[in-house]
Amino acid sequence: DIQMTQSPSTLSASVGDRVTITCRASQSISSWLAWYQQKPGKAPKLLIYKASSLEGGVPSRFSGSGSGTEFTLTISSLQPDDSATYYCQQYNTYMLTFGGGTKVEIK
Amino acid sequence: QVLLQESGPGLVKPSETLSLTCSVSGYSISSGYYWGWIRQSPGKGLEWIGSIYQSGSTFYNPSLKSRVIISVDTSKNQFSLRLNSVIAADTAVYYCARDYDASVAYFDYWGQGTLVTVSS
Repeated sequence: DIQMTQSPSTLSASVGDRVTITCRASQSISSWLAWYQQKPGKAPKLLIYKASSLEGGVPSRFSGSGSGTEFTLTISSLQPDDSATYYCQQYNTYMLTFGGGTKVEIK
Repeated sequence: QVLLQESGPGLVKPSETLSLTCSVSGYSISSGYYWGWIRQSPGKGLEWIGSIYQSGSTFYNPSLKSRVIISVDTSKNQFSLRLNSVIAADTAVYYCARDYDASVAYFDYWGQGTLVTVSS
């Protein structure tokens, strides 16, 4: 299985800050990576697919980059509504795996 | 808009079978796409269980494959999950979701999730 490792596990930032979350794959996954946002008691919401493609309706302050084994999700200007847990997910193989999540808190 | 809704028992006894159904509206399963099940143990991360195509072609998580069957009923626009020989560690919120159209990949529409507790 391809292991996905996210860092940090938790981060606290202020409104307006630029926030970056990292996701590392245990082997190359090309650009086959998605990012999700999950709020408490809710289902995950797709933000990014194919590492950098923004899902329709997702604010442009969210962006994704990377390829191979290292990927980042960036929130260019953190908003109160962005308080959530973020997960990466690889789909390079027919065994889909998720990262452990990064909880983003607003200071 | 594509809507998915999970249904099934919220409590299952150890060693018995967990059965859930996902009802889809706003899109015909027979038109394509893979459809998947994902679970999340309390306070934990996400685990993909498996996905099925409208033709019945399936892909499963190898760690669960021996206990899982995912099936599709295009006449009812539903797909289902059966997980047998459940244990306490199978307690989780179970989500159904629409997968990619060409292969198993990522999930763009999700159900609200349903909590299944394994306990005697």
